[in-house]
Amino acid sequence: EPEVTQTPSHQVTQMGQEVILRCVPISNHLYFYWYRQILGQKVEFLVSFYNNEISEKSEIFDDQFSVERPDGSNFTLKIRSTKLEDSAMYFCASGGASGNTIYFGEGSWLTVV
Amino acid sequence: GIQVEQSPPDLILQEGANSTLRCNFSDSVNNLQWFHQNPWGQLINLFYIPSGTKQNGRLSATTVATERYSLLYISSSQTTDSGVYFCASRTTSGTYKYIFGTGTRLKVLA
Repeated sequence: EPEVTQTPSHQVTQMGQEVILRCVPISNHLYFYWYRQILGQKVEFLVSFYNNEISEKSEIFDDQFSVERPDGSNFTLKIRSTKLEDSAMYFCASGGASGNTIYFGEGSWLTVV
Repeated sequence: GIQVEQSPPDLILQEGANSTLRCNFSDSVNNLQWFHQNPWGQLINLFYIPSGTKQNGRLSATTVATERYSLLYISSSQTTDSGVYFCASRTTSGTYKYIFGTGTRLKVLA
């Protein structure tokens, strides 16, 4: 069964450093998402991406965040200058042409120290 | 925006027991999914169920969109069912994002 893959599975970074989280969505999907989950809390929407542009973003997705689909297969989330409160699990998801069912990757656990 | 509430927040069961998890949403939705987050943090798709009833083995789900709720039934629970169950819904307002509920943390005891 096709799946969404994410790398790295776990990253530890110093506060203030830039981090790039990578995702390979399911190949024929058109809608891409990033969500995050702080430990023990619910899953929060960050941003959706369709037709090579951001279609929607939450108030969490401020200027330190950016997304890119650089080569037609990867979908990346960049955090420019990490803060302690950015420590969380980051999930990538993708959805098909109708955008109905979305499928999540296994997550990238980011720890900022 | 849409609010998605789940109940109960925590549930402890003996192996073999049945349970019902509830998801209430504050706005009209055109899509709803149930997920199981296992102890390793993975979000596993259980059901895509904008309306009606579906069954998959020991699990079944029902969504009554007009009354703004969905139910997830787990029968003959097993220890591997432990984890957090989330519903996530998408409103009819033209957005493609799913909003997650608050989750139900289930622990099944052997």
